[in-house]
Amino acid sequence: EVQLVESGGGLVQPGRSLRLSCAASGFTFDHYVMHWVRLPPGKGLEWVSTINEKSGGIGYADSVKGRFTISRDNAKSSLSLQMNSLRAEDTALYYCARGGSDWSPAFWGQGTLVTVSS
Amino acid sequence: DIQMTQSPSSLSASVGDRVTITCRASQGINNHLAWFQQKPGKAPKSLIYAASSLQSGVPSKFSGSGSGTDFTLTISSLQPEDFATYYCQQYDTYPWTFGQGTKVEL
Repeated sequence: EVQLVESGGGLVQPGRSLRLSCAASGFTFDHYVMHWVRLPPGKGLEWVSTINEKSGGIGYADSVKGRFTISRDNAKSSLSLQMNSLRAEDTALYYCARGGSDWSPAFWGQGTLVTVSS
Repeated sequence: DIQMTQSPSSLSASVGDRVTITCRASQGINNHLAWFQQKPGKAPKSLIYAASSLQSGVPSKFSGSGSGTDFTLTISSLQPEDFATYYCQQYDTYPWTFGQGTKVEL
């Protein structure tokens, strides 16, 4: 069974950093593209970042480019999102997702909540 | 950036209704279009990829169609478990973008 478990969320002050992790199991991790997608409170889904199987093909939303860094460790079946210079508008539930038959997200974790507030 | 415009933003429907949601891209996206369902407090569920391909395990009452810039999600016979918010997403060109969502209400 495919499982994606996010961790690392919490309350953080504006301007500080946070690192999210996603532990994957139940599939061959290095065969799939991985994504981060977020859901701000009261708003719709927002794509954050994508990384391909070999840590290339990386893309970022304009709102996080230059502040967030996506990475993966295929040996540990783990996906990460390093978030620097956090802003109040980064407050959201952050989901890890796996690609499927193509690059689009096919399986989702349950999310980890990030709150940026002083 | 490619803008994705969904319509309607919300709709009221009854059990058994046929429901259609439209998604328009601001430029061609080579059918790199996905549909997702999200219920309050739950993770999104992937329904459709490549505009019309059903994700594994998704019931056939869901179907996707369209090409170029205009796409449609259809639910053939709405059931109680289908009341949710639906999103389209283009994954053709970075930055990928979602539509604003369509809330399907009873």
